[in-house]
Amino acid sequence: DAKTTQPPSMDCAEGRAANLPCNHSTISGNEYVYWYRQIHSQGPQYIIHGLKNNETNEMASLIITEDRKSSTLILPHATLRDTAVYYCIVRVGGSNYKLTFGKGTLLTVNP
Amino acid sequence: DSGVTQTPKHLITATGQRVTLRCSPRSGDLSVYWYQQSLDQGLQFLIQYYNGEERAKGNILERFSAQQFPDLHSELNLSSLELGDSALYFCASSPRDRGYEQYFGPGTRLTVT
Repeated sequence: DAKTTQPPSMDCAEGRAANLPCNHSTISGNEYVYWYRQIHSQGPQYIIHGLKNNETNEMASLIITEDRKSSTLILPHATLRDTAVYYCIVRVGGSNYKLTFGKGTLLTVNP
Repeated sequence: DSGVTQTPKHLITATGQRVTLRCSPRSGDLSVYWYQQSLDQGLQFLIQYYNGEERAKGNILERFSAQQFPDLHSELNLSSLELGDSALYFCASSPRDRGYEQYFGPGTRLTVT
């Protein structure tokens, strides 16, 4: 699985968009980008994933650069409940495969 | 609520003891994963089962073992416990065709004294 680099922490004002970057410069062609988050001491929660096209679901948007070396998770209107550690994970596609979590980014949404 | 249940929520035990953590996956999910989260090691994959068979192994100690039963619930057995085994233990399950979409349970907090 390719290595990822994320800032250790970020702040965001409530109601504003939160843009969380992830660098994965060694990503290979068959590796997907996955995002999970973990609210304090709860189990991690799947957010979104993508291969090369931008993706959007009810929780967030994922923007992947054309060279696929970096991506950005966007929470369009952050709320206090979005305060969590966000993990960017790169791994090959397919099912039934382990997730390798790094240190992630602690996003703090401020009122 | 992810639909994955874990028992017990908290467990306090002494060094050298043995404990069993239990996990029930979401209805219909065949895969179960176990993860350990400690302050110094972060969130680490331990082991995966798929429909009763071991599918993948991670950084699981020899003192630890797991199994998945015919009703698909899983148990993680930890023996000869050490202080360093104190951690949050999460179980996750995933749909057959979307293994990347893992649903995590609330975890079991193990404290070894």
